[in-house]
Amino acid sequence: IVMTQSPDSLAVSLGERATISCKSSQSVLYSSNNKNYLAWHQQKPGQPPKLLIYWASTREAGVPDRFSGSGSGTDFTLTISSLQAEDVAVYYCQQYYSTPHSFGQGTELQI
Amino acid sequence: EVQLVESGGGLVQPGGSLRLTCAASGFIFSDYGMSWVRQAPGKGLEWVAGIRGGGEENKYYAGSVMGRFAISRDDSRNTLYLQMNSLRVDDTALYYCAKTGSSSITWTDYWGQGTLVTVSS
Repeated sequence: IVMTQSPDSLAVSLGERATISCKSSQSVLYSSNNKNYLAWHQQKPGQPPKLLIYWASTREAGVPDRFSGSGSGTDFTLTISSLQAEDVAVYYCQQYYSTPHSFGQGTELQI
Repeated sequence: EVQLVESGGGLVQPGGSLRLTCAASGFIFSDYGMSWVRQAPGKGLEWVAGIRGGGEENKYYAGSVMGRFAISRDDSRNTLYLQMNSLRVDDTALYYCAKTGSSSITWTDYWGQGTLVTVSS
């Protein structure tokens, strides 16, 4: 499954909304449980990635509620409702519907 | 607190071998699937291999490493391994050990700091 993110980079003002898109080449919705096998990770410079969202919209414990995930099937969105300075990072979507568990190419978010 | 500590990286010549090790703590290791993910310098993330937990130990590989790399685990030692053979220059990357969110190979919920593998003559 090929994951394609857009845009490749994005500049947003502090306090404004940031939206990142992720499209999969085939559906990652598993019909038997109606779950989308899609996660979002954040990677800050010099650090390992950090899980933000799984099942497309479930926020990981401790992740601020300004981060939200939406979408189903092949089209997904990560939204940061009010950008903070500490949100500067590269964001990756990842499908875990089938192996290999492919990542998008990443979206660099800047202020 | 979940901790994943990778080791075993280094400089190796093309065609050589390395074995990466990931020491896990802070969770019931045997209950969870585990993966290796790599990141070439300045590039994005690439899933390399995964192994189920819960006593099943099914293994899965990316096409780029199939037949050259082998993932394994020792639940008695809370340790994950990646045996890398026939290394190529394009295997150069930071290799992350990753815990998944269930016994299956699902979303990655914790990442190690990574160990750097450099393949060069």
